[in-house]
Amino acid sequence: AQSVTQLGSHVSVSEGALVLLRCNYSSSVPPYLFWYVQYPNQGLQLLLKYTTGATLVKGINGFEAEFKKSETSFHLTKPSAHMSDAAEYFCAVSEAGGYQKVTFGTGTKLQVIP
Amino acid sequence: NAGVTQTPKFQVLKTGQSMTLQCAQDMNHEYMSWYRQDPGMGLRLIHYSVGAGITDQGEVPNGYNVSRSTTEDFPLRLLSAAPSQTSVYFCASSFSSGGAAGELFFGEGSRLTVL
Repeated sequence: AQSVTQLGSHVSVSEGALVLLRCNYSSSVPPYLFWYVQYPNQGLQLLLKYTTGATLVKGINGFEAEFKKSETSFHLTKPSAHMSDAAEYFCAVSEAGGYQKVTFGTGTKLQVIP
Repeated sequence: NAGVTQTPKFQVLKTGQSMTLQCAQDMNHEYMSWYRQDPGMGLRLIHYSVGAGITDQGEVPNGYNVSRSTTEDFPLRLLSAAPSQTSVYFCASSFSSGGAAGELFFGEGSRLTVL
């Protein structure tokens, strides 16, 4: 069975500071890994994904994440936070080659302080 | 581009009533799914489908029913609504294989309140 753990339900950063949102996964087969963002009263949209190949993946709005198999982690980072980054972020996993059932973490709300 | 369309956006039900949440996508995606979102619990998978005529249960299927008669539509039925089903429901779709598999496209959500 696959699962995702996101450390920290709320994270606050100052505008211009580094953003680091943590995600650890569990999967019995090679995983596909995703980060989604949800703005208030909206559905989720894909930020970035890892399937195979390069372990450092870049997404929209300056975000990136690194797949570390040895640590079963897929942490999301952004060098400099912007006020518009305030949202809820979800890490997700699916098992490559399966029915692509996607399992989500419980989410991390990012607050950006001016 | 319509993408994933959910209706209704808001609904209030009384305990014991039944209703159907509609979901339609125009991207020819094989995979469709329903999630519920509750505070502090993230998104939990209710039911999913990998193609017309094929459905399966997710993490929290009790009290919900689905069918998939066409590629485009995947309605979610609440058989006898309970207050515990008060939630925001999201429909999502994607391709079911290849590099785009798992890349979900979400609807805007349906907020359901059961009194």
